[in-house]
Amino acid sequence: DAGVTQSPTHLIKTRGQHVTLRCSPISGHKSVSWYQQVLGQGPQFIFQYYEKEERGRGNFPDRFSARQFPNYSSELNVNALLLGDSALYLCASSFWDRSVVEQYFGPGTRLTVT
Amino acid sequence: EDQVTQSPEALRLQEGESSSLNCSYTVSGLRGLFWYRQDPGKGPEFLFTLYSAGEEKEKERLKATLTKKESFLHITAPKPEDSATYLCAVQGLFSGGYNKLIFGAGTRLAVHP
Repeated sequence: DAGVTQSPTHLIKTRGQHVTLRCSPISGHKSVSWYQQVLGQGPQFIFQYYEKEERGRGNFPDRFSARQFPNYSSELNVNALLLGDSALYLCASSFWDRSVVEQYFGPGTRLTVT
Repeated sequence: EDQVTQSPEALRLQEGESSSLNCSYTVSGLRGLFWYRQDPGKGPEFLFTLYSAGEEKEKERLKATLTKKESFLHITAPKPEDSATYLCAVQGLFSGGYNKLIFGAGTRLAVHP
């Protein structure tokens, strides 16, 4: 079975631009979470979606938004990019969110803002 | 506020030299503690979930243990292919959702032949 997939792999954007990152969860998984990982730090939680509904939000500005589609894939959108948004963006999928379950991460999208 | 601190930040071992990585946590009701391995430029790879104090889990040369305040990842007779960053994360009762993980900054492990 395919694992979590993310696209694109790498992305270079200019300050002020907008970016959309995409994630496809493991087949059968209904929950998708997004994390931001700055170099040298652990991942930081941005959003969680389950059955197309937002179930959790981290401490990120409103420039960050996300959605989940009927096929459980997800998009993360970031508007008005800042230099500090440069990071590895990770998507994690799990079967559901009603108990402690393992989350499996994708390879990430490396975003560079210049 | 839920918090995870990992030590040491970096660890260099000779092949076969066993050691332990530490993860100290502060959380308002622990749902689960997770260990991940991350290779450079890649996403974290799931290793273990621990749920309650006293629990232990093993996988090849790795063994994870849990107390009420910390977790240890013991590496026995490591090989160069064990070189990676090891991340610890917790899920708390009041973290804001079942799937929200609070990560530490990780321990960078380098195993030399």
